[in-house]
Amino acid sequence: NAGVMQNPRHLVRRRGQEARLRCSPMKGHSHVYWYRQLPEEGLKFMVYLQKENIIDESGMPKERFSAEFPKEGPSILRIQQVVRGDSAAYFCASSPMEVGLSYNSPLHFGNGTRLTVT
Amino acid sequence: RKEVEQDPGPFNVPEGATVAFNCTYSNSASQSFFWYRQDCRKEPKLLMSVYSSGNEDGRFTAQLNRASQYISLLIRDSKLSDSATYLCVVNILTGGGNKLTFGTGTQLKVEL
Repeated sequence: NAGVMQNPRHLVRRRGQEARLRCSPMKGHSHVYWYRQLPEEGLKFMVYLQKENIIDESGMPKERFSAEFPKEGPSILRIQQVVRGDSAAYFCASSPMEVGLSYNSPLHFGNGTRLTVT
Repeated sequence: RKEVEQDPGPFNVPEGATVAFNCTYSNSASQSFFWYRQDCRKEPKLLMSVYSSGNEDGRFTAQLNRASQYISLLIRDSKLSDSATYLCVVNILTGGGNKLTFGTGTQLKVEL
């Protein structure tokens, strides 16, 4: 029973390039959440998606960032024209239902993608 | 006021000690609460959910005080392997639905 799978584990991009981060949720999970963790800081919510729908993107920067969760395939977090400030660990998490509805709906995290912008 | 606040620590304790962490939250409508553990540069892992009546899992005890809007985590008989950052997590209801909001974490170092 595979957990949440993220790839790549490490991604190095030069300023101005595009970064694509992929996340396959746990089997049976249709709710996907992306979080960002800057060095020495806590996890910050970015976006919540269900299959083919963005439910809440209130934590996403307005420009250069986008996310999708297509009917088939993994969820993708895309960062265009990366800048040094985008360097962070990006974690994807999944859940079988909307989180917070009960104590039985925690998040299960992937091992993250560490993005370094040079 | 932050949505979820924790003392960042670090808490340096000897092996075998009992240590307690507190966390306060601002949204009185929050319904579910968790403690996660994060080891250096790794993903957060669920330690335990926090039930209204409090709950225990081995050496770990979690308590919820809704009136004062805080939750706590007690670790008894600390082990070296307990060294990690402990994250308090609370659901926040927004216009887009529920989302789990993480505190910045409390760092624990258990020493010989």
